[in-house]
Amino acid sequence: IAGITQAPTSQILAAGRRMTLRCTQDMRHNAMYWYRQDLGLGLRLIHYSNTAGTTGKGEVPDGYSVSRANTDDFPLTLASAVPSQTSVYFCASSEGARGLQFFGPGTRLTVL
Amino acid sequence: GENVEQHPSTLSVQEGDSAVIKCTYSDSASNYFPWYKQELGKGPQLIIDIRSNVGEKKDQRIAVTLNKTAKHFSLHITETQPEDSAVYFCAASIGGNEKLTFGTGTRLTIIP
Repeated sequence: IAGITQAPTSQILAAGRRMTLRCTQDMRHNAMYWYRQDLGLGLRLIHYSNTAGTTGKGEVPDGYSVSRANTDDFPLTLASAVPSQTSVYFCASSEGARGLQFFGPGTRLTVL
Repeated sequence: GENVEQHPSTLSVQEGDSAVIKCTYSDSASNYFPWYKQELGKGPQLIIDIRSNVGEKKDQRIAVTLNKTAKHFSLHITETQPEDSAVYFCAASIGGNEKLTFGTGTRLTIIP
């Protein structure tokens, strides 16, 4: 039983490079989310998807894009990484918009 | 938008004693309040939640109370144990949880 998996576990990236963080869940949850976690700021929602084929913007969407081609996968793309995007990124899923959110193990991203 | 404040930022408690973490929220329309526990190197894990139609909810040693008039809610952990040491986050949302707003976290340390 995997639950939610994220890849890579950690990554060091040069500024200006493109990067896609992967997230896969095997619980057949409809809703998925991407958060970033920064010291002193807690978790902030970047983008979310209530169901396959739909996405929405969270609190801090600028510089990020997402797609939801199917139920299981919800990749997060940084088109041109900047140092302020250095953070720990968590993917989460829930059965519906009112369901309990389950979090993945996180990806630690450093942009130099 | 919603703003959630969490206090204290750090808390040390003798093993066996109780710990209380408090959060306040700004949007009176918020009606879902989950609490998450995050252990080092892991993603947040939901430990208890409460909806606005109840004032208190208990699950073994953990309880959450909600005061909608004052717009604050609290996490209570009784008979604390070393494995309770972690960072705890409160959150609030309106309607469902597609847009959770998190507090900044409390690092709880249980002193053996």
